[in-house]
Amino acid sequence: DIQMTQSPSSVSASVGDRVTITCRASQGISSWLAWYQQKPGKAPKLLIYAASSLQSGVPSRFSGSGSGTDFTLTISSLQPEDFATYYCQQANSFPRTFGPGTKVDIK
Amino acid sequence: QVQLVQSGAEVKKPGASVKVSCKASGYTFTGYYMHWVRQAPGQGLEWMGRINPNSGGTNYAQKFQGRVTMTRDTSISTAYMELSRLRSDDTAVYYCARGDIVVVPAAMSDYMDVWGKGTTVTVSS
Repeated sequence: DIQMTQSPSSVSASVGDRVTITCRASQGISSWLAWYQQKPGKAPKLLIYAASSLQSGVPSRFSGSGSGTDFTLTISSLQPEDFATYYCQQANSFPRTFGPGTKVDIK
Repeated sequence: QVQLVQSGAEVKKPGASVKVSCKASGYTFTGYYMHWVRQAPGQGLEWMGRINPNSGGTNYAQKFQGRVTMTRDTSISTAYMELSRLRSDDTAVYYCARGDIVVVPAAMSDYMDVWGKGTTVTVSS
């Protein structure tokens, strides 16, 4: 199985800050990576797919980059509604695997 | 609009089985995969498997092989996930999620673009 790791596990930030989350795969996954946002008590929401493609309806302050084993999710200017947990997920092979999550909370 | 409506919360005893349904609307049910993902209390997301509603073909996580069965009824655009021999650590919220196919030269995969609200399954004696 492909193991996904994320760093940091949590980050405290202020509205307007630039936030970067890193995801690493245990083996190369080309660009088969997605990012999800989850708020407490809610289902995950797809933000980015294919490493850098913005899902329809997602604000442009979210962006993704990377290929192979190293990937990044960037929020260019954090908004109040962005405080949530973010997960990466590889779509290269079975079983699909998720990272452990990165919680973004208010500083 | 595209939506996935899941069945209601379940409480089961250890050793029992649970069957969760996921009714799709607003799109062609057979044109997309359907994934099942679970989340134990306070934990991360765990992929269980997916079904191709068109063919009925499945891919299961090894962890659940032999205990999970994913099926579909195309006449009512509904997917099902049945988990047997329940244990206390199966207590979780179970989500269905539509798999939208992405094709690039010489490869394809899918991403979970629409999610149900989740079904809470509690396993307790």
